[in-house]
Amino acid sequence: AQSVSQHNHHVILSEAASLELGCNYSYGGTVNLFWYVQYPGQHLQLLLKYFSGDPLVKGIKGFEAEFIKSKFSFNLRKPSVQWSDTAEYFCAVTGRGGSQGNLIFGKGTKLSVKP
Amino acid sequence: NAGVTQTPKFRILKIGQSMTLQCTQDMNHNYMYWYRQDPGMGLKLIYYSVGAGITDKGEVPNGYNVSRSTTEDFPLRLELAAPSQTSVYFCASSYMVLDQPQHFGDGTRLSIL
Repeated sequence: AQSVSQHNHHVILSEAASLELGCNYSYGGTVNLFWYVQYPGQHLQLLLKYFSGDPLVKGIKGFEAEFIKSKFSFNLRKPSVQWSDTAEYFCAVTGRGGSQGNLIFGKGTKLSVKP
Repeated sequence: NAGVTQTPKFRILKIGQSMTLQCTQDMNHNYMYWYRQDPGMGLKLIYYSVGAGITDKGEVPNGYNVSRSTTEDFPLRLELAAPSQTSVYFCASSYMVLDQPQHFGDGTRLSIL
């Protein structure tokens, strides 16, 4: 079955610490991968996406993610977090092409950054 | 630029009541989606539409219905509200399938009592 696993339910960091959020997926065929962020009380916003090409993708606000096909992983990283990064982060996957518009989300990782 | 607009923002329903959650987008996107978000469960796709007149079931369609008579509007209907439908509902849209939902509405928080 298609699924996305996010390893950490809640991550607590101090400002300036480095961040890595794990994401593994199970999906047959070629995939598109996404990270979304949901700030408290707000709707989801796209952080970054991978369709093809360079497996290291850079997104907004200094975030980046690396697609490792052999590990079915798409981990999110940021060298130095800020208090304003406190949010919930969702990894998502969908199949490439076809008529299916089904985006599979992970359960999310809540990030709390202490000032 | 309004983007994706959902109404209402909050609603409390009694068991067995019906209601329609409204969603409209002004970006001329072909694809529209309804998700529900439950605590610790991420987002689950309820229904989606690839264009006016075309809808399809997602992962959790039971208890819901949708229609897509225009490109702009994609209402979600609950016919017989049940406590299990207490959730936050998000509508989203995208221009084409490879672009996937990049534009989400602000959500509707629905409580069934």
